[in-house]
Amino acid sequence: GAGVSQSPSNKVTEKGKDVELRCDPISGHTALYWYRQSLGQGLEFLIYFQGNSAPDKSGLPSDRFSAERTGGSVSTLTIQRTQQEDSAVYLCASSLVWDRVYEQFFGPGTRLTVL
Amino acid sequence: QQQVKQSPQSLIVQKGGISIINCAYENTAFDYFPWYQQFPGKGPALLIAIRPDVSEKKEGRFTISFNKSAKQFSLHIMDSQPGDSATYFCAASPTGTYKYIFGTGTRLKVLA
Repeated sequence: GAGVSQSPSNKVTEKGKDVELRCDPISGHTALYWYRQSLGQGLEFLIYFQGNSAPDKSGLPSDRFSAERTGGSVSTLTIQRTQQEDSAVYLCASSLVWDRVYEQFFGPGTRLTVL
Repeated sequence: QQQVKQSPQSLIVQKGGISIINCAYENTAFDYFPWYQQFPGKGPALLIAIRPDVSEKKEGRFTISFNKSAKQFSLHIMDSQPGDSATYFCAASPTGTYKYIFGTGTRLKVLA
């Protein structure tokens, strides 16, 4: 079956512009996660969704970052007024249910470059 | 601050050798420890996971060793193969939460 897909695969933008990153989770997965992977760093947790709600947004690095999920499926991560330090690979993952013992399946990521 | 420290940053092993990656944590409230494998251009994929009530878990050539008192856990790859060349991340999940705290990763290269 289809895995987690993300689009675009690469995004180059200018400082100050807004960007939207999309994640299509595995069909039927109720939990969805966003991570950020910076060069030489591990995966930094940003936010998770259970259904359409995001109980904890504390991982978002600033108020320029927001995310939503509609229909319990597709999620969009929006970064407003991008900064160079936002350059990273943004990874989305989904799991069957909200429980850390259920495997999180990752997408291939969106590489964001802010010039 | 909850952290997971991973070492080494990079590792080169001969084919057939044993690859060992170590992780350490400080927060005793972690109670689930998965390892993820990531190939270039791909997202991470679950390799193996362990709970602290066992000291070792083996799946094929991959073994997790867990030392609860030392707050350390490690991944051993036996008979390492060139196809194992990838970046490996350890992670820990705090009790009662949904999230993983990841280590910084180890880039493994297995020479043919």
